[in-house]
Amino acid sequence: AQKITQTQPGMFVQEKEAVTLDCTYDTSDPSYGLFWYKQPSSGEMIFLIYQGSYDQQNATEGRYSLNFQKARKSANLVISASQLGDSAMYFCAMRDVNQGGKLIFGQGTELSVKP
Amino acid sequence: NAGVTQTPKFRVLKTGQSMTLLCAQDMNHEYMYWYRQDPGMGLRLIHYSVGEGTTAKGEVPDGYNVSRLKKQNFLLGLESAAPSQTSVYFCASNLGSTMNTEAFFGQGTRLTVV
Repeated sequence: AQKITQTQPGMFVQEKEAVTLDCTYDTSDPSYGLFWYKQPSSGEMIFLIYQGSYDQQNATEGRYSLNFQKARKSANLVISASQLGDSAMYFCAMRDVNQGGKLIFGQGTELSVKP
Repeated sequence: NAGVTQTPKFRVLKTGQSMTLLCAQDMNHEYMYWYRQDPGMGLRLIHYSVGEGTTAKGEVPDGYNVSRLKKQNFLLGLESAAPSQTSVYFCASNLGSTMNTEAFFGQGTRLTVV
């Protein structure tokens, strides 16, 4: 069965510094897609970045980048130059194309950015 | 651009009461999902639908029923609410089920069962 694991329940980072949020995954499918979502205190789910299993390069979207290490089955989110507005819950997720395309989520990491 | 809209946003129920959560999307998406979010557990799939008139069970379906009579709407029903169903409920939709398909989420419904 597919599984996503986020082992950092909470993290602190100083404003303007970079931070890495860990995500490991388990799947036997050769094709898979990995997503990161941000959930601010207001509650909505905001899509941040996507990485496909066959993508040759690590995904980047502005200050967000994904450190994809296929052999280690990890897909860590890197946020550069942290801002106070980055304080939120972050979820790593994998799409299960065999079950209606559902997303399988990790437990989440709560990031707090200190001024 | 409404996207995915959930109704209501907040609700308090007494144990044993019933209610229906409505999810509406205006993007002509085939796939729709209901998740629940509990502290420390991420989002877990309750039920999903791959098209009008179809539904399927997810990871935690007990105590819930769903219907997809119209393509744009996906209803989640609680027939007899229990305190264990206190949670934040999210609806999501996507156009397809391929691995790179982006999911669009509603704003969530915070349900408290007392």
